[in-house]
Amino acid sequence: EAGVVQSPRYKIIEKKQPVAFWCNPISGHNTLYWYRQNLGQGPELLIRYENEEAVDDSQLPKDRFSAERLKGVDSTLKIQPAELGDSAVYLCASSFSPGGEAFFGQGTRLTVV
Amino acid sequence: DQQVKQNSPSLSVQEGRISILNCDYTNSMFDYFLWYKKYPAEGPTFLISISSIKDKNEDGRFTVFLNKSAKHLSLHIVPSQPGDSAVYFCAASVTGNQFYFGTGTSLTVIP
Repeated sequence: EAGVVQSPRYKIIEKKQPVAFWCNPISGHNTLYWYRQNLGQGPELLIRYENEEAVDDSQLPKDRFSAERLKGVDSTLKIQPAELGDSAVYLCASSFSPGGEAFFGQGTRLTVV
Repeated sequence: DQQVKQNSPSLSVQEGRISILNCDYTNSMFDYFLWYKKYPAEGPTFLISISSIKDKNEDGRFTVFLNKSAKHLSLHIVPSQPGDSAVYFCAASVTGNQFYFGTGTSLTVIP
């Protein structure tokens, strides 16, 4: 069974440029999460979807971050414009049910220069 | 405010011995706890979970203990193997809601 797939694996951009990350969750998993992990820290939730509905986006910096999950499957996370402090690993995860153990993708390491 | 804390950033253990990783939490409403293992350049991998109705859950070499009164959980790995060397994250949630992760403990198992 394929796991959570994320792309790209690495991204280097200049500040003020836009960037987008893509995630394909495990088939049949209705819950999708985007996390950000800073160096030496644990993952922190940015947004959680149940199917196509964002049920928890309280920690998403909405002035520059946006996300969508059209058709309740794939999801994209966008940053526009990126700032130096956005450098981190962005992790996508999915679970079969809300609150069930989440399966993570390999992450996208973003470097903003 | 960090709701889940792993106060030991690193731990070294001899192969064959027991590894004990600790985790504390502050929110008494948390009722579901998980441990994840992370290798470099990979995403976290689910390891073991425990519900607050239990105080112990075992899966092979891995056992998680939960002490609700102390708001403390621990992961025991016996016997430790070099392949267990990784960063271990604990996570906690109120069932059906988001997980809060600790900052991780880097385990090194010395052959």
